[in-house]
Amino acid sequence: GAVVSQHPSWVICKSGTSVKIECRSLDFQATTMFWYRQFPKQSLMLMATSNEGSKATYEQGVEKDKFLINHASLTLSTLTVTSAHPEDSSFYICSAREAGSSSYNSPLHFGNGTRLTVT
Amino acid sequence: GESVGLHLPTLSVQEGDNSIINCAYSNSASDYFIWYKQESGKGPQFIIDIRSNMDKRQGQRVTVLLNKTVKHLSLQIAATQPGDSAVYFCAERFTGANSKLTFGKGITLSVRP
Repeated sequence: GAVVSQHPSWVICKSGTSVKIECRSLDFQATTMFWYRQFPKQSLMLMATSNEGSKATYEQGVEKDKFLINHASLTLSTLTVTSAHPEDSSFYICSAREAGSSSYNSPLHFGNGTRLTVT
Repeated sequence: GESVGLHLPTLSVQEGDNSIINCAYSNSASDYFIWYKQESGKGPQFIIDIRSNMDKRQGQRVTVLLNKTVKHLSLQIAATQPGDSAVYFCAERFTGANSKLTFGKGITLSVRP
């Protein structure tokens, strides 16, 4: 089956620093990737939609200058949390849709998430 | 605004019994629904999906039922096993270019040995 890999699986950083999270589709090409954020015991909240070769589309309330998204190839999207603060600590999860698939009958494939802790 | 929600936050079942997890949605424009399972510290894992032109779909030990009249979605797990213990999310997708997936609140399934 389609595999989405996220790296790192966890990261601890100091307040004010930036952290980059990678999302890779290992055995398929992904024209669209989605970035979610999940707080403990809560649901997944969509942050942004990343399209290969174009700018990401951010959800309302998500700061695009703080959460930089790059989708330079069909197998890699990155999320950079800039000037991280303790309130950015969360579980970040990416998902991908296979290139050429119809949105009607293709479930998203999710990575295993990245636990970010900002001290 | 419209949202996807679940009726119960937790569900405890005896091993071997059948589990039924319910979900309500309010957006009549949604045409595709998915159930995901999330284990602690991991990303969501696809379980089963259903399109709005269907009312039932079966997989291995799982069945999804869709009632568009009352905007209700359910996941039935037969012969629940300890490995089924996890948080379950229903998700809906609206027709459109990006077809964003909206997740419900999630319900914890706990299987008693």
